[in-house]
Amino acid sequence: NAGVTQTPKFQVLKTGQSMTLQCAQDMNHNSMYWYRQDPGMGLRLIYYSASEGTTDKGEVPNGYNVSRLNKREFSLRLESAAPSQTSVYFCASSEGGPRNEQFFGPGTRLTVL
Amino acid sequence: GENVEQHPSTLSVQEGDSAVIKCTYSDSASNYFPWYKQELGKRPQLIIDIRSNVGEKKDQRIAVTLNKTAKHFSLHITETQPEDSAVYFCAASKGNYGQNFVFGPGTRLSVLP
Repeated sequence: NAGVTQTPKFQVLKTGQSMTLQCAQDMNHNSMYWYRQDPGMGLRLIYYSASEGTTDKGEVPNGYNVSRLNKREFSLRLESAAPSQTSVYFCASSEGGPRNEQFFGPGTRLTVL
Repeated sequence: GENVEQHPSTLSVQEGDSAVIKCTYSDSASNYFPWYKQELGKRPQLIIDIRSNVGEKKDQRIAVTLNKTAKHFSLHITETQPEDSAVYFCAASKGNYGQNFVFGPGTRLSVLP
C-alpha cells in the first residue's frame, strides 16, 4: 500500500496563477482532509470531505476550492494564488468513526512569489 | 469553536531524561485526543491517542494522561533518545469525522546527547 500520496512535491507560482494539488489514498478511507502548515504553527484545516460526494469548509477555506473526485481522490485548487498561500500543504485520510486516526501524505511545498 | 494550546513551544532534555508536553482544550465536548510526531521535512505521524473515557494510556516509553475536568492532556516520554527529537503536535476532536480536528501549535523537542 502506498498510503496517501500527493503531487506535486514542490511548486512555485506567481501571484494570480492557478494550480491544483492532487491527493489519493489506497486505504479505502471514507474521509479526506486538506491542511496547511505554516512555520511555527500547527496544522490548520482548509477543507474536508467526510465521505464521497460531500465537502465542507474547515478553519481557513478562503482562496481554495476542493473536489472529491471519487472515494480515492481529493484535490485542492488555488484559483488565484497569493503570497499568503505560501505554505506546506498536507492531505490526510481516515476511516471515520470513533478513533479517527488520520494518515498524512508527504506534503506539497508551495511558494507563491 | 475549539481552541488548543500547547506548552512549551520548545523543550530541550538530556538523553535519558523524561519530557512532558501539556495541552489544554476549550470545548468540553471534545472526546478524542491524538498526539502526532513530525520529524524535520516529513509528514506528521500518530504516536499515541486517548479517548475521553480513559484517564491514561501507555505504549512503551510514551504515555498520555487526560484530565477531563481541567480540560488538559499531557504527553510523557521517558528515557528519551536522540531519535525522539522532532516536533510534537497535540489535537482535540469531538466528531466522528475530522471536521473538528484542531491541532496545537507544536512543541519542538530536542534530545541532547
